[in-house]
Amino acid sequence: DIQMTQSPSSLSASVGDRVTITCRSSQSISRYLNWYQQKPGIAPKLLIYAASSLQSGVPSRFSGSGSGTDFILTISSLQPEDFATYYCQQSQSTPRTFGQGTKVEIK
Amino acid sequence: QVQLQESGPRLVKPSQTLSLTCTVSGGSISSGTYYWTWIRQPAGKGLEWIGRIFTSGITKYNDSLKSRVTILLDTSKNQISLNLSSVTAADTAMYYCTRDVYSSGWRWFDPWGPGTLVTVSS
Repeated sequence: DIQMTQSPSSLSASVGDRVTITCRSSQSISRYLNWYQQKPGIAPKLLIYAASSLQSGVPSRFSGSGSGTDFILTISSLQPEDFATYYCQQSQSTPRTFGQGTKVEIK
Repeated sequence: QVQLQESGPRLVKPSQTLSLTCTVSGGSISSGTYYWTWIRQPAGKGLEWIGRIFTSGITKYNDSLKSRVTILLDTSKNQISLNLSSVTAADTAMYYCTRDVYSSGWRWFDPWGPGTLVTVSS
């Protein structure tokens, strides 16, 4: 199985801050990497697919980059509605696997 | 716009079988290049891929659950079912149904159902 490791596990930030979350895979996955946002009690929501493609309807302050084994999710200017947990997920092979999540909290 | 909705018993006794249904609206489960997928999430923890079924009926399961899992399509009702046998407290989780979408060589999960919380307890 491909292991996905996110860092940090949690972070505190203020509205307007630039936030970056890192995801590393245990083997190369090209750009088969997706990012999801999850708020408490709600299903995950797709933000980014294929490492850097923005899902329709997702604000442009979200961006993704990377290929191979190292990936980054960036929120350019954190908004109140962005406080949530973020997960990366590889779609290269089965079983599909997720990172452990990064919780973005209010400072 | 495709929507998914999970349903089924919220409480299951240990050693019994957990049975859930995902009802799809706004599109046919028989069309397209989709894998219909089940994912679970224990409270406060991460996401675990359970398995998937293609529109042809071909399945793939997580090896960690393979001996206990069955996923089926019911095209007449536009539903996907999940059966997980011999459950224990470790199977207590929120269970999500989602669609594994393929486009331009890439795959992702979208949309997701709201999820259903299943508790295993006597």
